[in-house]
Amino acid sequence: GAVVSQHPSRVICKSGTSVKIECRSLDFQATTMFWYRQFPKKSLMLMATSNEGSKATYEQGVEKDKFLINHASLTLSTLTVTSAHPEDSSFYICSATDRGVGNTEAFFGQGTRLTVV
Amino acid sequence: AQSVTQLDSQVPVFEEAPVELRCNYSSSVSVYLFWYVQYPNQGLQLLLKYLSGSTLVKGINGFEAEFNKSQTSFHLRKPSVHISDTAEYFCAVGNTGRRALTFGSGTRLQVQP
Repeated sequence: GAVVSQHPSRVICKSGTSVKIECRSLDFQATTMFWYRQFPKKSLMLMATSNEGSKATYEQGVEKDKFLINHASLTLSTLTVTSAHPEDSSFYICSATDRGVGNTEAFFGQGTRLTVV
Repeated sequence: AQSVTQLDSQVPVFEEAPVELRCNYSSSVSVYLFWYVQYPNQGLQLLLKYLSGSTLVKGINGFEAEFNKSQTSFHLRKPSVHISDTAEYFCAVGNTGRRALTFGSGTRLQVQP
């Protein structure tokens, strides 16, 4: 089956620094990738939709200058949390749809636990 | 716009008992429906999905769900649960127009010995 690899699985960073999270589709081409944020004991909230070769589309209330998304190839999207603060601590999950089978299933990465100290 | 409601935040159940996790949705267009399971500090694993056709969908790990269009529901069931089924379960809805999924708030299934 389709595999989405997300790296790192855990990261601890100091307040004010930037952190990059990678999301790779290992065995399929993903024209679209999605970035979600999950607060403790909460559901997944869509942050942005990342389209290969174009600018990401951000959901209302998500700061695009803080959460930089790049989708430079059909297999890689990155989320950079810039000038991270403790309130950015969260579980971030990416997902991707397989261009070959359309949009009927999204495959999820393992998630990244970000802790800002 | 579309939304998903999971009425039960937690469902405690004894091992080998049946379980039903409820999911209701609202949407102005035709939808695809999904159930995902999440173990602690992990991503989401697809249990099953409804795209079209038969309203009874069978998934992995012995789970099944039934799509009921008139009641806008997609409840998840398992006839006999195991301790290993303890996890968070998310119902999600998607459609061809909006490719990102909309998730419910999740239901914590706690299987007790």
